Amino acid sequence: QSALTQEASVSGTVGQKVTLSCTGNSNNIGSYAVGWYQQISHGAPKTVMFGNSLPSGIPDRFSGSKSGTTASLTISGLQPEDEADYYCSTWDYSLSARVFGGGTKLTVL
Amino acid sequence: QVQLQESGPGLVKPSQTLSLTCTVSGGSISSGSYYWSWIRQPAGKGLEWIGRIYTSGSTNYNPSLKSRVTISVDTSKNQFSLKLSSVTAADTAVYYCARGPDLGYWGQGTLVTVSS
Repeated sequence: QSALTQEASVSGTVGQKVTLSCTGNSNNIGSYAVGWYQQISHGAPKTVMFGNSLPSGIPDRFSGSKSGTTASLTISGLQPEDEADYYCSTWDYSLSARVFGGGTKLTVL
Repeated sequence: QVQLQESGPGLVKPSQTLSLTCTVSGGSISSGSYYWSWIRQPAGKGLEWIGRIYTSGSTNYNPSLKSRVTISVDTSKNQFSLKLSSVTAADTAVYYCARGPDLGYWGQGTLVTVSS
């Protein structure tokens, strides 16, 4: 069982806005920046958001936010190439370890 | 552009030690305030953090793997390594190396199968 909880699956149509959530606790999301990682067809993961920072080369339709112990990744203007598995991750100071969510499978209809 | 590349045996026998190396190119492993991580993914499952090392040698490990894991760094070769002892079939996975704290750079991953 993952320390961070994500939806198993989310779907949306092209152009739609979708939001993926990641729920933790005060030991992890409540205390540290959250990263979001995109994995397409079981290839190597790619960072699409870290804290509030958008990595170079990532489209600005991706945005991140956090409220208390829940982090969110929003994709505004969904594109077919956004179909992927998305994982959230952050540090957990009670475990002294980085933790991952179980991943959300995003389907673009 | 920083690049990471995993290397090591693709097949390991049960009870033996899995050994992988991650070679960093495009920048010095010692520069900046980064740490270097190992992450794995069994087929059809999610990502699991194994551990990390700073170039000072300081390490942190996943509590569930801590008794079997050693991560080390060789700054002269711009490499860091993973050793996982007493492996079983449950350790079969794609193993990734990545640069933290944001895991902004990942290797392509290498499949390690534990089988006799």
